[in-house]
Amino acid sequence: DTGVSQNPRHKITKRGQNVTFRCDPISEHNRLYWYRQTLGQGPEFLTYFQNEAQLEKSRLLSDRFSAERPKGSFSTLEIQRTEQGDSAMYLCASSPPKVWRAFFGQGTRLTVV
Amino acid sequence: QKEVEQNSGPLSVPEGAIASLNCTYSDRGSQSFFWYRQYSGKSPELIMSIYSNGDKEDGRFTAQLNKASQYVSLLIRDSQPSDSATYLCAVNMGAGGTSYGKLTFGQGTILTVHP
Repeated sequence: DTGVSQNPRHKITKRGQNVTFRCDPISEHNRLYWYRQTLGQGPEFLTYFQNEAQLEKSRLLSDRFSAERPKGSFSTLEIQRTEQGDSAMYLCASSPPKVWRAFFGQGTRLTVV
Repeated sequence: QKEVEQNSGPLSVPEGAIASLNCTYSDRGSQSFFWYRQYSGKSPELIMSIYSNGDKEDGRFTAQLNKASQYVSLLIRDSQPSDSATYLCAVNMGAGGTSYGKLTFGQGTILTVHP
């Protein structure tokens, strides 16, 4: 499968715990995006990487959130001290260098209890 | 005003009919426009992209763009029950290379095609 891969697919955690999600983009795609989607809403942009550089962060990304993309390959999104409001689907997307066409992974559904 | 607005629906059409989905956006500098289909519990799937004024057809799907009116639409001909899903309009806002391909989504329109 050469699509965008996200792990885990589902995560249930207790409030206050830290969680980390992983995204493996399509191999030739240098652009990588994280979005968050809550029920009944469209995805909301969180952050963008071009290769290993994090070039943009949404103000939705509080200081409890951090994202990395070491070596410009896979990316991780960590949420510290999770809150119930963090419950959502976290989507990763990648795009090739010269054409802005975002392809989404299957997402990680986070439930904070 | 939301940056990208869609009628949330639900929009219900009979099998074989034309489904018409509409979207307006606020940023006149927007360059690229996309329609994604999202089945319940699944991730968005790109079905159409359009970059210039006019119509773009791909199979049963036609995307229409009117930059002067800041309006983009999606027509689905010969609708099938398998087309039942949420349709998301997404806009790459901002001129030039400053937006990095970041997409701003509408809230989505729920489409139901009944036999």
